Amino acid sequence: NAGVTQTPKFQVLKTGQSMTLQCAQDMNHEYMSWYRQDPGMGLRLIHYSVGAGITDQGEVPNGYNVSRSTTEDFPLRLLSAAPSQTSVYFCASSYSEAAGVNTEAFFGQGTRLTVV
Amino acid sequence: KQEVTQIPAALSVPEGENLVLNCSFTDSAIYNLQWFRQDPGKGLTSLLLIQSSQREQTSGRLNASLDKSSGRSTLYIAASQPGDSATYLCAVQFHTGRRALTFGSGTRLQVQP
Repeated sequence: NAGVTQTPKFQVLKTGQSMTLQCAQDMNHEYMSWYRQDPGMGLRLIHYSVGAGITDQGEVPNGYNVSRSTTEDFPLRLLSAAPSQTSVYFCASSYSEAAGVNTEAFFGQGTRLTVV
Repeated sequence: KQEVTQIPAALSVPEGENLVLNCSFTDSAIYNLQWFRQDPGKGLTSLLLIQSSQREQTSGRLNASLDKSSGRSTLYIAASQPGDSATYLCAVQFHTGRRALTFGSGTRLQVQP
């Protein structure tokens, strides 16, 4: 059981380049989300999805796009990379119970992104 | 604003000691609280999930308690070992439409042999 898989693990981009961070889960979880982790700021929510075809913005969405065409996959796109997007990115998934409550969240191993 | 705070930011203890990590949150309207462990350069590993209706959860040497009315949770680690050295993160699912987790900044624990 792979859980939540993120690729790549490391990436260096030049300012202005675009790229997609991949996230896949094999637990049939409805809820998926992307966080970024920065020193001194903890983990902050970028975008989230409550099911296939449904996405919404989190706390820090600017400069990022997402889509959710299948239950399993939730890619994060950087449109035009900036040095401020240097961070560690985590994808998470969880099962959704009724009334908007999520159960235990599972995280991927992270993607360490450097923008130069 | 809904916030999660963890104190202390760092803790160093000798092997074998029992220890308590603290987490506080600003709004008692929560669905659940989850404790994670993060090793350097790694992802987050879920340790314990406490639903809002529960008072505590236990797994091995770990015990997490929840007091919603006072906005506090503690993670108790018994008989600490060097392998427990890691950063421990507390995260809360507040009653918001996003259903996301709000994280504390973590407590970095070092257990000295």
